[in-house]
Formats: sequence, structure tokens, C-alpha cells
Amino acid sequence: AQKITQTQPGMFVQEKEAVTLDCTYDTSDQSYGLFWYKQPSSGEMIFLIYQGSYDEQNATEGRYSLNFQKARKSANLVISASQLGDSAMYFCAMREGRQYSGGYQKVTFGTGTKLQVIP
Amino acid sequence: GAVVSQHPSWVICKSGTSVKIECRSLDFQATTMFWYRQFPKQSLMLMATSNEGSKATYEQGVEKDKFLINHASLTLSTLTVTSAHPEDSSFYICSAPPGGGGTDTQYFGPGTRLTVL
Repeated sequence: AQKITQTQPGMFVQEKEAVTLDCTYDTSDQSYGLFWYKQPSSGEMIFLIYQGSYDEQNATEGRYSLNFQKARKSANLVISASQLGDSAMYFCAMREGRQYSGGYQKVTFGTGTKLQVIP
Repeated sequence: GAVVSQHPSWVICKSGTSVKIECRSLDFQATTMFWYRQFPKQSLMLMATSNEGSKATYEQGVEKDKFLINHASLTLSTLTVTSAHPEDSSFYICSAPPGGGGTDTQYFGPGTRLTVL
């Protein structure tokens, strides 16, 4: 079974508009972390935002916010005021299990959503 | 934010040769680094976890004798693709979480594009 599901292979958004990229996850762990990364055509992976499973408030980083609905196991990324530079692949990812000092659990990625911002 | 570098950024080699890719954490120590492979228009697939001072942990289906990983120091991990073949052509990318625990963020290198002729 897929641990991370991104159902939107591609999305279009008008410049300056907001857009929501969907992500659902599957885990039986109580402690886990959810990430969003941006990958432009150059290939580098750019960290955008992180949400811990015990965080009660939705994470926000500038124009990025994560709509965390734990009961639904969804972690959608909201980009406000889209810019042309936002055009890229966006990956949702999950780290299962508790993070511990000196050691790191592996991260599983979704299949990605290609976002194109239209002028 | 933390910086991770990779070298080379791209490489073209002949079938049967070996290629070494370096991953360095530039401004922090990384006891753990992760190696991913990404085929065109696909997601990142974890290949192995590189641990400083111990053997790497490989994911199921990844040949450890073909993809040699050496975590030589707290700032350097290398991936060597041995006897490369055209099917090994891919984008290889490493990541490293800053040491000291308490953070989930993993910083990625810029990736290495390998083409095997």
C-alpha cells in the first residue's frame, strides 16, 4: 500500500491566486512527521514546510501553509499568492516513527504534483 | 539553512566503468546521510542509509555490491556505482539531517545526473 498518495499529477494556477496540493498518508505510528518539498527543473530538492503529528497548529512558512487533518490523514499544502517561480514539482513526504537524538528515520516520498503557474 | 553539496553534478560514463559520487555537508556534521535515486518524472526512491562509522543500510531490492556506500567522516558520504550499465542512468540525490537530534528537516544536495552509455 502506498504510504504517501498525491492524486494530482498536474495542477494549473493563475498567478497571484492560491492553490492547494493534496496529500494523504497511511501510517499506524502515533508519532510521525510530514514534509513538503519543491523540486524545480534544476533537480534540487527544496524544503518547504514540516508538520509533526503532535503539533496542534497547522504549520506555516511564509506563503506556504500545511492543512493538517489528522483524522483524515491528510496534509495538504496551500500556496498563497502564487508566483511564476512556484512552477515546479512538489513532493509530499513522511517520516514514520519517533525521531531520536543521534539517529534519523527514513523518509518516504509521494509521486509528486507538477504545478504550473500561469501569468 | 544547512548546505549539502554533491560532486559531480553530472557525469557520463561508459558501460562497465565505476562512478563515484560525493555528498558533503558543508556547515554541519551529519552522522547519517540518505541516498536516493530518481528516474525521470518519478518520485525519489530511497536506496540506502549511510551511517558514519558503520555499514550502510540498504533498502530492499538495492544491490549492496553494486552501489557501494562509504561514510568516511561526519561530513562526507560517497556512493560508488560499480560496473555501471545504461539502466543505472538516473538522478542520484543525497540528503542529510543536521546532527544533534531534535529536528526533522533533511537538507538535500543538488543531485548528480548519471548517464551510462
